[in-house]
Formats: sequence, structure tokens, C-alpha cells
Amino acid sequence: EAGVAQSPRYKIIEKRQSVAFWCNPISGHATLYWYQQILGQGPKLLIQFQNNGVVDDSQLPKDRFSAERLKGVDSTLKIQPAKLEDSAVYLCASSQGLPSTGELFFGEGSRLTVL
Amino acid sequence: GDSVTQMEGPVTLSEEAFLTINCTYTATGYPSLFWYVQYPGEGLQLLLKATKADDKGSNKGFEATYRKETTSFHLEKGSVQVSDSAVYFCALSDQGGGFKTIFGAGTRLFVKA
Repeated sequence: EAGVAQSPRYKIIEKRQSVAFWCNPISGHATLYWYQQILGQGPKLLIQFQNNGVVDDSQLPKDRFSAERLKGVDSTLKIQPAKLEDSAVYLCASSQGLPSTGELFFGEGSRLTVL
Repeated sequence: GDSVTQMEGPVTLSEEAFLTINCTYTATGYPSLFWYVQYPGEGLQLLLKATKADDKGSNKGFEATYRKETTSFHLEKGSVQVSDSAVYFCALSDQGGGFKTIFGAGTRLFVKA
């Protein structure tokens, strides 16, 4: 079974530029998550989708971050304009069925460096 | 709100030593508790979990017991190997928190041969 796919693995941009990350979850997984992991910290949830609807985006900085999951499968996370403090690893995860207390399956992450 | 606190690292041990990584939590409801592990160059993966009080999760020689009275879920292994070197994250998820999985800051483990 293929795992969660993310791209690009690495991205370096200057502040005020824009960037987009892509995620393809495990086939059949209804719930998709984007997490931000700053160096030395644990992952912080940015947004949670169930199919193509948003379940929770309370910690997404909506003035600069946006995410979509139009067909209920793959998802894109965009940052525009980027700030220095956005330097982090962006993790995508998926899980089966409805949001629950079950296991999350993570991709390898997209590392963003903002100069 | 819900939160997870785990011991700071890095933790450095010799091979075959006993490992404990402490984790305590705060939750409004009755959460499920998890340990995730991140090996170098890889994504996070579930190591073990427990869904109710007094449950013991175990996998690959690691164990953790859900202690409701002390709100703790400490990770233990009797004899670590070099291949256990990784970052370990304690996490929780509960209905009161909308099933968001909340992670601790992670503890890096180095095991020396």
C-alpha cells in the first residue's frame, strides 16, 4: 500500500514570496491533516479536512495560509506571502474514516526555509 | 485546552540500557494516548497507543501504561539498541478536543554502541 506522498521535499524562498505544498493521502483515507513542525517543537495542527470539507482550521493563519482539498483526495497548502517564522517542516497526514482517536499516517514532510 | 508535556532531550544511553521517557497530559475528556517515533530521514509513525485507563500499549519492546490518576503515559524499554535512536513524540486525541491529535515537543534519543 502506498503511503502519504508529499512534494516538494525541500524549498528555499525569500520572505514575501509564495510557496505551495502538495499532499496525496493513502487511498481511501477520508481525513487529511496539515501540521507545521518548527525545529525543536512538536507538530502543530494547521487544518483538518474530512473528504473535501474543513473540520478544523482554528490554528491556520488565514491572512497568509490557505489550503484546499477540492476533490476529497489530494490537497494543497499555500503560503503567501511567506515570513521568516514560517520556516518549518510541513507535514501531511491522513486517517481512515471520520475524525476519531485512531492512528495518523504521516508523509515525510516538506521542509521550508524562508530567507 | 488539551496539552502534552514530555521530558526534554536529548537522552543519551548506552546499548542495552533501560529507557524511560516521561509524558504527562492535560485533557478535558478521556483521551486516547499515543507514542509516535520519527527515525532519521523518515516520517512520523505510530509506535503504540492506549485508549482507556490502565491499558498498556506495546510494540517493538516498548511499553507505556495509561495512568489516569497521574495523567501520565511514560514510555519504557528494558534494553535499547542503536537502531532505537530517533525522536519520540507523546500525543493525545479526544472527543472533547474535536479529535485533534496534539503532540508534545518530542524527545531525541541517542543510543551508543
